[in-house]
Amino acid sequence: EAQVTQNPRYLITVTGKKLTVTCSQNMNHEYMSWYRQDPGLGLRQIYYSMNVEVTDKGDVPEGYKVSRKEKRNFPLILESPSPNQTSLYFCASSLGGIEQFFGPGTRLTVL
Amino acid sequence: GIQVEQSPPDLILQEGANSTLRCNFSDSVNNLQWFHQNPWGQLINLFYIPSGTKQNGRLSATTVATERYSLLYISSSQTTDSGVYFCAVDSFTGGGNKLTFGTGTQLKVEL
Repeated sequence: EAQVTQNPRYLITVTGKKLTVTCSQNMNHEYMSWYRQDPGLGLRQIYYSMNVEVTDKGDVPEGYKVSRKEKRNFPLILESPSPNQTSLYFCASSLGGIEQFFGPGTRLTVL
Repeated sequence: GIQVEQSPPDLILQEGANSTLRCNFSDSVNNLQWFHQNPWGQLINLFYIPSGTKQNGRLSATTVATERYSLLYISSSQTTDSGVYFCAVDSFTGGGNKLTFGTGTQLKVEL
């Protein structure tokens, strides 16, 4: 089944404890992105990648890192999480930068 | 950047009723997608429709690109249709394969 997967789906952590949210797609898509969704602010792009080893900042990249060492994987790294990074995170992928497919979401709470 | 407005913001329907959701956007687009966010937070792709008309079961969508709007039709609504419906666009002038989301229409279907 063609899909985008994310892990973990739910995570509660504490300020400053490094964490990684994994994202993987099995559709051979070049484009991958990370979004966060917050009440009143909607979905905003954090980082995107147009292919392996090519990444760039979206609208809200502060406090996040990404890497794209393989085509299928695009992990989101929070080196020192803070409470303002509590959010619902989505990974997305697309072929040719057109229709995007979203993962199931990761609910992150930073205490 | 491109602006996306959705209406109505909230909608309550009796099961079996029909409805029309509207999405207006401020610039030319090369991608327009409709999503349903279910009560568990998952974003479900409904339509990829930068122009024209598509139908999928009880749902259909029409985008009139020259007039910068899209409509989502829900017929014979069911309680499982409840959730938030988002329109999202990517413009020719934007970079990074970024979808800009509207603020959504919150739909509740009651028995």
